[in-house]
Amino acid sequence: EVQLVESGGVLVQPGRSMKLSCAASGFTFSSFPMAWVRQAPTKGLEWVATISTSGGSTYYRDSVKGRFTISRDNAKSTLYLQMDSLRSEDTATYYCTTQAAISYWFAYWGQGTLVTVSS
Amino acid sequence: DTVLTQSPALAVSPGERVSISCRASEGVNSYMHWYQQKPGQQPKLLIYKASNLASGVPARFSGSGSGTDFTLTIDPVEADDTATYFCQQSWNDPTFGGGTKLELK
Repeated sequence: EVQLVESGGVLVQPGRSMKLSCAASGFTFSSFPMAWVRQAPTKGLEWVATISTSGGSTYYRDSVKGRFTISRDNAKSTLYLQMDSLRSEDTATYYCTTQAAISYWFAYWGQGTLVTVSS
Repeated sequence: DTVLTQSPALAVSPGERVSISCRASEGVNSYMHWYQQKPGQQPKLLIYKASNLASGVPARFSGSGSGTDFTLTIDPVEADDTATYFCQQSWNDPTFGGGTKLELK
């Protein structure tokens, strides 16, 4: 059974940094691209970033480019999202997801971790 | 960005057929996917590449369309289908529709 467990979400002040983690199990982590998708409270879904199987290629939405960094440790089956210069509009539940391939659908989702950016 | 437009809400009776539409601002080939999200839960993949049923999803769910107009159909609707349904395209940088909240009468 595929399991994705996010952690690291907390209340943080604007301008500060934080790092999310996603522990994966139940599948061959190194064989699949991974992504982060977020959902602001009572809002819709928004793709944040995607990383290739090796980690050599990364893709970001414009509003987080230069502030967020997606990475992975295939030996630990763990996905990360380093978030710097946080803004209030980054407040959301962040979901870790699998992709069958780059530019494909989001097949499996974690339960999400809430990031609140507020002073 | 490719904008996806969905109707905000629908109400149907159990046993009926319901169609949820999604219109893209530009052609996305068949790279349209559908998700179900129940309150307090993460989204769940229902349909990928317009018409392919995801693993474990009941055959009551089906998808159709290509280009700019896509439809998710549930037939027959059951009480457990109360949820918000999102479309998502992956032809360009991924974007999601605003969601259609399905309520049962």
